[in-house]
Amino acid sequence: SQKIEQNSEALNIQEGKTATLTCNYTNYSPAYLQWYRQDPGRGPVFLLLIRENEKEKRKERLKVTFDTTLKQSLFHITASQPADSATYLCALREGGFKTIFGAGTRLFVKA
Amino acid sequence: NAGVTQTPKFRVLKTGQSMTLLCAQDMNHEYMYWYRQDPGMGLRLIHYSVGEGTTAKGEVPDGYNVSRLKKQNFLLGLESAAPSQTSVYFCASSGQPEETQYFGPGTRLLVL
Repeated sequence: SQKIEQNSEALNIQEGKTATLTCNYTNYSPAYLQWYRQDPGRGPVFLLLIRENEKEKRKERLKVTFDTTLKQSLFHITASQPADSATYLCALREGGFKTIFGAGTRLFVKA
Repeated sequence: NAGVTQTPKFRVLKTGQSMTLLCAQDMNHEYMYWYRQDPGMGLRLIHYSVGEGTTAKGEVPDGYNVSRLKKQNFLLGLESAAPSQTSVYFCASSGQPEETQYFGPGTRLLVL
């Protein structure tokens, strides 16, 4: 079955720097991959979707890349702010109606 | 437009008790999902529905039942709660299966 790996260690960066989060997957070739943000005590909120034929997608300070050869997606937040501190989840559709979520990487941005 | 709402927000059960979690969405979405989230693990799909009157099993369905009698509501039932069902439960909905899922705020369940 599909497996998603995200760095379980928290990422600590200084305000203004670029945060880069990694999502690796195995055993499947998803048509698209999604990134969600989750704040403590709240449900995930959709951020970006990137399709297999797209190398890169941008939205304001966010950028996602999708390398189907490496089976990897990178999620970048440029000019990071303390308000960007949250857990970021990677998700892909395994098939049919099932979406597989990674465990998430927690990001801390220090002022 | 409230999006996806869940009740209750928090509940404590004793082993063997039963309860129902309610999810409601006002976006006229066909697809609805129940997930559980445990520390260090990703969201895991319990059951899902592709439309009113339909339900299907997800990755971890054992010990849970669901019903979708109305399009806007998706109920998750625990007939005989077990400590292993202590978790945070999230409901989500989407207009199409390949579209973004909109999540509720979650229900924190503790089974003693």
